[in-house]
Amino acid sequence: DSGVTQTPKHLITATGQRVTLRCSPRSGDLSVYWYQQSLDQGLQFLIQYYNGEERAKGNILERFSAQQFPDLHSELNLSSLELGDSALYFCASSVGGNSQETQYFGPGTRLLVL
Amino acid sequence: AQTVTQSQPEMSVQEAETVTLSCTYDTSESDYYLFWYKQPPSRQMILVIRQEAYKQQNATENRFSVNFQKAAKSFSLKISDSQLGDAAMYFCAYRSANAGGTSYGKLTFGQGTILTVHP
Repeated sequence: DSGVTQTPKHLITATGQRVTLRCSPRSGDLSVYWYQQSLDQGLQFLIQYYNGEERAKGNILERFSAQQFPDLHSELNLSSLELGDSALYFCASSVGGNSQETQYFGPGTRLLVL
Repeated sequence: AQTVTQSQPEMSVQEAETVTLSCTYDTSESDYYLFWYKQPPSRQMILVIRQEAYKQQNATENRFSVNFQKAAKSFSLKISDSQLGDAAMYFCAYRSANAGGTSYGKLTFGQGTILTVHP
């Protein structure tokens, strides 16, 4: 158990819908990272937040957005869902956000868009 | 942009034997970090080992060790005395140490290598 929690574990929804994925980092960690794992794209970095502020951005679609709240939990919002958005979404956390820190991954949320 | 390549989609090993997983990467940076993550069937991503590019000494963690060749941009993982619990997908990952970059925080992953351990 990494100490990072993600809810829900599984999500099934229809095209065009909007969903919210939630992540709680390890106690004391200020940085949260979101990754997407799909069969065709592999594991891709989406976005990083540090203490409520966006720190780094990857190949995140405009239909996707994220935020980190004062209690440090983070939410990833996916809207106008398409079949291709079906994937495993991971949240990871680290103490600060410096490159030498290890990122600890949550168990992931499996999203299926029908 | 940095890229990470794992050229072995699948590997297999007999229990108690040794296996080496390959990884190469492309970067113009001189300071960075390299990682191996394990993803068992549960899908949890578990850190196996990490290497700092500025360190010449290869990292080791119990039965896991790396062969880091900076000039060749190669970072292989050796698993000794393989166990059934080592069966998983293994990912090589790169992270920049450049604090000024817009992608500073991200891990760049390879495509993964599925390791099967035979009893």
